[in-house]
Amino acid sequence: KQEVTQIPAALSVPEGENLVLNCSFTDSAIYNLQWFRQDPGKGLTSLLLIQSSQREQTSGRLNASLDKSSGRSTLYIAASQPGDSATYLCAVSIINAGGTSYGKLTFGQGTILTVHP
Amino acid sequence: DGGITQSPKYLFRKEGQNVTLSCEQNLNHDAMYWYRQDPGQGLRLIYYSQIVNDFQKGDIAEGYSVSREKKESFPLTVTSAQKNPTAFYLCASSIYRGPTYEQYFGPGTRLTVT
Repeated sequence: KQEVTQIPAALSVPEGENLVLNCSFTDSAIYNLQWFRQDPGKGLTSLLLIQSSQREQTSGRLNASLDKSSGRSTLYIAASQPGDSATYLCAVSIINAGGTSYGKLTFGQGTILTVHP
Repeated sequence: DGGITQSPKYLFRKEGQNVTLSCEQNLNHDAMYWYRQDPGQGLRLIYYSQIVNDFQKGDIAEGYSVSREKKESFPLTVTSAQKNPTAFYLCASSIYRGPTYEQYFGPGTRLTVT
């Protein structure tokens, strides 16, 4: 059974710092990996999606990498801002028996990020 | 404005009552999903549906039921058989961007059962 772990559980940094959030998964037979942001009491916003054949994706100040063989992904946030404060979740979808995916996601518990001015 | 709507935002029920949570999407997505989130935890899959009139159990389906009569709608019923129904419920839909699915989420419904 696929398990996803995120480290650290919480992170507090001063504004302007570069930071890295970590995600690990136990079964490397993934279809893709998605990073989300969740603000308190809100739904999830998709940040980046990495297909299993890709090594990284970038969007603005965000860069996500994927190492399938070691079961790891990192989300790098450059020049952090107070507006980046949120919970960051990573999730993987697994390959089904037919070699595709039903799109079901297995989530980690999230990293709570606080960026203080 | 395309998106996923969930209503209501907050829902309160007495123990022993069934309650139905609404999820509607106008994104023309084929697949829809229901997740549950408890404090300090990630999301867990309850049910999912790849096409109309078909749905599958997720990891924690006991005490829940769904229907998928229309492409746009995927309501979730929390029955009295669900032992710990108080949680934050999130609906999602996904589109196939060959060769993968990308999920989009609604704003969630917070259910409190007393």
